[in-house]
Amino acid sequence: VQLLESGGGLVQPGGSLRLSCAASGFTFSNYAMSWVRQAPGKGLEWVSVVSGNTGNTYYVASVKGRFTISRDNSKNTVYLQLSSLRVDDTAVYYCVKGPERGAFDIWGQGTMVTVSS
Amino acid sequence: QSVLTQPPSVSAAPGQKVTISCSGSSSSVGNNYVSWYHHLPGTAPRLLIYDNNKRPSGIPDRFSGSKSGTSATLGITGLQTGDEGDYYCATWDTSLTVGVFGGGTKLTVL
Repeated sequence: VQLLESGGGLVQPGGSLRLSCAASGFTFSNYAMSWVRQAPGKGLEWVSVVSGNTGNTYYVASVKGRFTISRDNSKNTVYLQLSSLRVDDTAVYYCVKGPERGAFDIWGQGTMVTVSS
Repeated sequence: QSVLTQPPSVSAAPGQKVTISCSGSSSSVGNNYVSWYHHLPGTAPRLLIYDNNKRPSGIPDRFSGSKSGTSATLGITGLQTGDEGDYYCATWDTSLTVGVFGGGTKLTVL
């Protein structure tokens, strides 16, 4: 069971970036997938989730309207489109399987997003 | 400020026991399952407890979880230096329709 993120990097304030997460080892379409981030020196923050079957999406208030989560079950991949990026979006972004009854059981290694001029 | 409240730090000697609290609300901890995670810098967080008190395979029984009302607790017995790091509680907030994490607790094994 593995999650492999890609797409992080350095971007200027106001810019955009798309993160990808390739899943393997489980029936991807059966599970919700989330993104969780950790800013430097801060704790974990849940960002967004997309359900496995209906594709329903939810976001933390600070990214609503700027980030878009999506998934392609044929490719076992979940995406996070980051737009109108701000300096305080700088963080390691983790792709996570879940929540399943509130639990996030599989985590990727994370991809770093740095927003700076 | 996190929706779930944890103490910033705890410490204890090797072999001792420690507990970490996680306080929420009726829409978060009070009506949803709580999970717990261990996180070391530069690594992926690891699930320790799910469904309030269940351990995934591979997690030793030194780790335990409980919940009462709007508070949850993680217990760790027989502390080892490898247990050091940051511990987070998490759940779903039904009212806000978001996932929520505690602010994290740094465990030091003296």
